[in-house]
Amino acid sequence: GENVEQHPSTLSVQEGDSAVIKCTYSDSASNYFPWYKQELGKRPQLIIDIRSNVGEKKDQRIAVTLNKTAKHFSLHITETQPEDSAVYFCASTGFQKLVFGTGTRLLVSP
Amino acid sequence: SQTIHQWPATLVQPVGSPLSLECTVEGTSNPNLYWYRQAAGRGLQLLFYSVGIGQISSEVPQNLSASRPQDRQFILSSKKLLLSDSGFYLCAWMGVHEQFFGPGTRLTVL
Repeated sequence: GENVEQHPSTLSVQEGDSAVIKCTYSDSASNYFPWYKQELGKRPQLIIDIRSNVGEKKDQRIAVTLNKTAKHFSLHITETQPEDSAVYFCASTGFQKLVFGTGTRLLVSP
Repeated sequence: SQTIHQWPATLVQPVGSPLSLECTVEGTSNPNLYWYRQAAGRGLQLLFYSVGIGQISSEVPQNLSASRPQDRQFILSSKKLLLSDSGFYLCAWMGVHEQFFGPGTRLTVL
C-alpha cells in the first residue's frame, strides 16, 4: 500500500532561521499533498497543500515544493517564529483516504 | 460552510467499560468520514473510514468498531475498553481532496 516517510522527526531552529521538512511517497498515482500543523492538545490544521500539476506553492512565510519524478515534497518555513513551534504532518492521497507521515516536531527558540 | 462536531471533549473511563464517541458534520452531504487515534506524542493512526451510510472500512484490527447510521453521523464504539485505548480520537471529513479534522475527544482509560 501507499507509504509516506517524513524527516526529520524533530527539528530545532533559532527564531528567524528557515526550517525544511521533507516527505517521500510511494504511490505514483498520488495527486494531492497537504501539510498539517498540530499545536499541543489541538486538532491538526491544514496550512498549505499542493496538487501534482504544480511544482511550488507559496503562502507568506510557508511554501511547498513537489518533485513528482523523485516522489518527494517539502515544506519550507522562512523567518521562523516561536508560534511556528508545533508538530507538522505531511500526507498524500491513497485510495479513498489520505496517508500521513509520522510527523515532525519543530521547536523554534527565541 | 462545513463544520464538524465531536463529543464528548474529554472522557475518563475504567478498563472494561463500553465506549461511544460521536461525530457529526454540517454543511455537506455524503462526505467521506474518518476516525483516527493519536497516542500521546505520536502520529495519526487511521482506525476506520466510511464512504457512505452503512459502509465501514477497518484499517486496524482491534476491539473498536464504527458505524454510520446517517449520512453525516459517524460513531466509534467499544464493548470493553483496554488501557491501550487511551488517546486523542479525531474524526475527520474529506471534501474533493482536503481533509478537515474535528476538535477531538481525549480519552483516558484507567
